Amino acid sequence: GENVEQHPSTLSVQEGDSAVIKCTYSDSASNYFPWYKQELGKRPQLIIDIRSNVGEKKDQRIAVTLNKTAKHFSLHITETQPEDSAVYFCAAPERDSSYKLIFGSGTRLLVRP
Amino acid sequence: NAGVTQTPKFQVLKTGQSMTLQCAQDMNHEYMSWYRQDPGMGLRLIHYSVGAGITDQGEVPNGYNVSRSTTEDFPLRLLSAAPSQTSVYFCASSLSSSMGGETQYFGPGTRLLVL
Repeated sequence: GENVEQHPSTLSVQEGDSAVIKCTYSDSASNYFPWYKQELGKRPQLIIDIRSNVGEKKDQRIAVTLNKTAKHFSLHITETQPEDSAVYFCAAPERDSSYKLIFGSGTRLLVRP
Repeated sequence: NAGVTQTPKFQVLKTGQSMTLQCAQDMNHEYMSWYRQDPGMGLRLIHYSVGAGITDQGEVPNGYNVSRSTTEDFPLRLLSAAPSQTSVYFCASSLSSSMGGETQYFGPGTRLLVL
C-alpha cells in the first residue's frame, strides 16, 4: 500500500522567513496530494492540494510543488506569521481507493515572533 | 449546516468496557472515515465507508467495528477497550467523485482515555 514519509518532524523559523515541509510517497499511481493544517486542540483543515497533472499550485503565501518522477511533494510557506504555527500533515491516496488518504506523521511548525 | 459533528468530546473508559463514538454529517457526503491520532504518528485510518451499507478496513482496524445504515451517520464501536486505544479520534467526510481527491472535512474529535 501507499507509504507517506514527512520531514522534518519539527521546524522553527523566524517570523517573516520561509518554511518548507517535504513529503515522499511510494505509489507512482497516486494522483492527489493534499496538505492539512491542525492548530492546537483543533481539527485538521485542508489548506491546499494538488493533482498530478500540475507541478505547482499557489494560494497567497502558501504553495505546493510536485515532482512525480521523484515521488515527492512539498509545502512552501512564505513570509511566515505567528498564526502559521501549527502541525501540518501531507497525505496521498491509497492505490485503487482514491478516498483512502494515508497521512504523513506531521510537522510541528513554530514561527518565532 | 453543522458540518461533521462528533459525540462525546471526551470519554474515560475502564479496560474491557465498550462504547460507541458517534459521528454525523449533514452535507450529504458519500464518503466517511474514522482516524485515530497519536503523538508523533499522524492520522491513521481505522475504517471507512463509501456509502450507506458499505464499509471497509483501513490501516488499523483491530478492536473497532463500524456500520453505515444511513448516509448521515457513521458510528465507531469499541468492543472491549484497551489502554492502547487511548487516543484522539476524528471522523471525516467528503464527496465522492470518479476522480477522487475531494476535500475531507473533519469533525472536532473525541478524546478517549482508557484506564
